[in-house]
Formats: sequence, structure tokens, C-alpha cells
Amino acid sequence: NAGVTQTPKFRVLKTGQSMTLLCAQDMNHEYMYWYRQDPGMGLRLIHYSVGEGTTAKGEVPDGYNVSRLKKQNFLLGLESAAPSQTSVYFCASSYSQRGISYEQYFGPGTRLTVT
Amino acid sequence: DAKTTQPNSMESNEEEPVHLPCNHSTISGTDYIHWYRQLPSQGPEYVIHGLTSNVNNRMASLAIAEDRKSSTLILHRATLRDAAVYYCILARDTGRRALTFGSGTRLQVQP
Repeated sequence: NAGVTQTPKFRVLKTGQSMTLLCAQDMNHEYMYWYRQDPGMGLRLIHYSVGEGTTAKGEVPDGYNVSRLKKQNFLLGLESAAPSQTSVYFCASSYSQRGISYEQYFGPGTRLTVT
Repeated sequence: DAKTTQPNSMESNEEEPVHLPCNHSTISGTDYIHWYRQLPSQGPEYVIHGLTSNVNNRMASLAIAEDRKSSTLILHRATLRDAAVYYCILARDTGRRALTFGSGTRLQVQP
């Protein structure tokens, strides 16, 4: 199993450009998440999905959109990139089982720089 | 979400045990205590979690205070590969199930 994979690994954007980050998981997990991590900080939740076709906002959703058209994929879009979105982006997935706590599996991250 | 408090950094020597503390005085009855770690330039990695009883797995042990207001992650024999930022996180087993990361404890392991 590949686990959680993210593409691309690195990207440099100019202010105002758009891009899509792709997250894929092969563990048949229901839940998927996008986090961002700024230098020296912990991770903050951007958006999450509890199943195919459903998404919801996290702590810091402004400037981002997401889609979950297939269970194994979770896409994060930046409509008009800003320097404040320079960060490392992590995708994660977890299984859902009623009454039992879960662990999240994280991807290797995408390092995005907006100039 | 209830908050956790961890020391900013700790040091250990290789092959010695490490005790990483976490305070969570406002924990609720349905909060699980999770520990994740993040090695340099990698995504976070699950370490262990528990609710009330002490827990062991191949990576570490989790000791939970009787009143659940604090917990300790125990690495039995630190290796250089254990140098990482360790996050103590409270998570309820309901709703969105996302994790709220604080700034964690940076563990340095000296050879």
C-alpha cells in the first residue's frame, strides 16, 4: 500500500495564480483532511471530508476550496494565491468506526511558496 | 476543544528512557489522548492513544493520570531517529474527528 500520497511535492506560484493540490489514499478511508503548517507552528485544519461528495470547513478555510468526487481523492484548490498561503500542506485520512477512536495517516506534504 | 500544555523542548541521551509530559486539566470525559510525532521534513506520524488506562505499543507507552488531567509519553530507549516534535492532542470520538495541533515538544537526542 502506498498509504497517503500528495502531488506535487514542491510548487512556486506567483501572486494571483491558481493551482490544485491532489491527495490520494489507498486505504479505503472515509475521512480525509487538509492541514497547513507554517514555520515553527503546529498544523491547522483547512477543510475536511467525511465521505465522498461531502466537504466542510475547518479552522482556516478562507482562500481555499476542496472537492471529494471520489472516495480515494481529496483535492485542495487555491483560487488566487497570496503570499500568506506560503506554507507546507499536509493531507491526512482516517477510518470511521462507530464508538472507536481513530488514527490519522498523513502524506509527506507539499511545500508551496507564493511570491 | 480542550487545550494541552507541553514543554517547548527536551533533551535526552541515546538509549535512555524519555518521559514527555502533557497537561490537559480541562479534559472532558469523552476526550481521547493522542500522541503524534513529526520527524524533520515529514508529515506527522501516529504514536499512541488512550482514554483512561495506560497503553503500550511497539513504539511507546502512554501513562495517564488517575484524574486524567495529565499524561506522559514514555519512549523506553531513545534512538537518534526519535528526535522529532511530539504533539499531545485531545480528540473527541464524535463529529469531524480532526486533530488540533499545538506547538508540541521538540525532543533532541544526543549520541
